Amino acid sequence: DVKVTQSSRYLVKRTGEKVFLECVQDMDHENMFWYRQDPGLGLRLIYFSYDVKMKEKGDIPEGYSVSREKKERFSLILESASTNQTSMYLCASKGGPGNTIYFGEGSWLTVV
Amino acid sequence: KQEVTQIPAALSVPEGENLVLNCSFTDSAIYNLQWFRQDPGKGLTSLLLIQSSQREQTSGRLNASLDKSSGRSTLYIAASQPGDSATYLCAVRPLNSGGYQKVTFGTGTKLQVIP
Repeated sequence: DVKVTQSSRYLVKRTGEKVFLECVQDMDHENMFWYRQDPGLGLRLIYFSYDVKMKEKGDIPEGYSVSREKKERFSLILESASTNQTSMYLCASKGGPGNTIYFGEGSWLTVV
Repeated sequence: KQEVTQIPAALSVPEGENLVLNCSFTDSAIYNLQWFRQDPGKGLTSLLLIQSSQREQTSGRLNASLDKSSGRSTLYIAASQPGDSATYLCAVRPLNSGGYQKVTFGTGTKLQVIP
């Protein structure tokens, strides 16, 4: 089974802190994604990566950056956390038969 | 721009009932369509993926159909169980010739199966 692992399930951070959300997939997929999910707004794409060291902005990249130094790992960085970044963050990878999308368990981030 | 709609937003049924969840999309030029379930506070779990050339896919009590010409997909759940209670989302991947093909997600149908 494909596994996408988000290392932190629940985080509470202070405004202005730098936050790292880590995501690892074990299926050698080239494509990886970071979404945030908010009530009433659905899933919104923050960034995606189609190869090591390659990244593209999604729909809402402001306030975020990403890092993909190794194929299996895709990190989301909040340079200076703000309260409006309180959300559920979902990592996904895509590949295999039919280019199926697989999600991690999600990371709940609260910025106070 | 692709728009994906799931109606109703919420559905409540008694245990044992067969039910159909709907997913409508505006642009029929799709590569594939994928159905997910999401339990409260958790990530999305892939249920079924239908390629644009396919009409349906089945997994256990689940059957997903695709009608590109009408811009619709349905997820049929047979003999519903309380454990099926979750939010069900569909996601449409467009048919583009190159570059990144952005997937569009529906906002989901929240299903409650009452024992």
